[in-house]
Amino acid sequence: GENVEQHPSTLSVQEGDSAVIKCTYSDSASNYFPWYKQELGKGPQLIIDIRSNVGEKKDQRIAVTLNKTAKHFSLHITETQPEDSAVYFCAASKGSASKIIFGSGTRLSIRP
Amino acid sequence: KAGVTQTPRYLIKTRGQQVTLSCSPISGHRSVSWYQQTPGQGLQFLFEYFSETQRNKGNFPGRFSGRQFSNSRSEMNVSTLELGDSALYLCASSWDRPGDYGYTFGSGTRLTVV
Repeated sequence: GENVEQHPSTLSVQEGDSAVIKCTYSDSASNYFPWYKQELGKGPQLIIDIRSNVGEKKDQRIAVTLNKTAKHFSLHITETQPEDSAVYFCAASKGSASKIIFGSGTRLSIRP
Repeated sequence: KAGVTQTPRYLIKTRGQQVTLSCSPISGHRSVSWYQQTPGQGLQFLFEYFSETQRNKGNFPGRFSGRQFSNSRSEMNVSTLELGDSALYLCASSWDRPGDYGYTFGSGTRLTVV
């Protein structure tokens, strides 16, 4: 079945710097790639998603890139702020699938 | 617009007992999925319900079960609790197939088995 690997497991960056989280997926039929942010005591919240007919998508300081050939996708956060500190999960799914497979998560810490 | 509501937020149970968790999806969402979140295993898919039917099931023992009602509200039940069942249980709702529409998650129920 589908497997999603996520790296790194922890990431610490200086406030104002950029952060990059990378994921790979195993099922070449996957075509939906959401990213979730989970803050302490809360459930994961969708922050951005991309479909396989698009190579890059941006939303203010957040961008996601997708390389279908290599089966890689990445989350880029620029000009990091303290409120970006959280656990981030990548995920993958096939269209019309009744479940989404998650990566193992990245704990992002922003140093003041 | 109300989000996904899970009750209770916290539960402490004894080994061998059973527990029922509840989830109310976003109004209009007919798909409800359940995940188990633990530090070591991440987010593990339990099952997904749509229109009162289980459409998909993960690799969990039969002690884990669920159901969905006609108003799309869902419950999951764990019988004969084990210490390893201690986890955050997350409910997620979607318009239809999550692969097409993505999830909105609730805040979860933190279950502790002692």
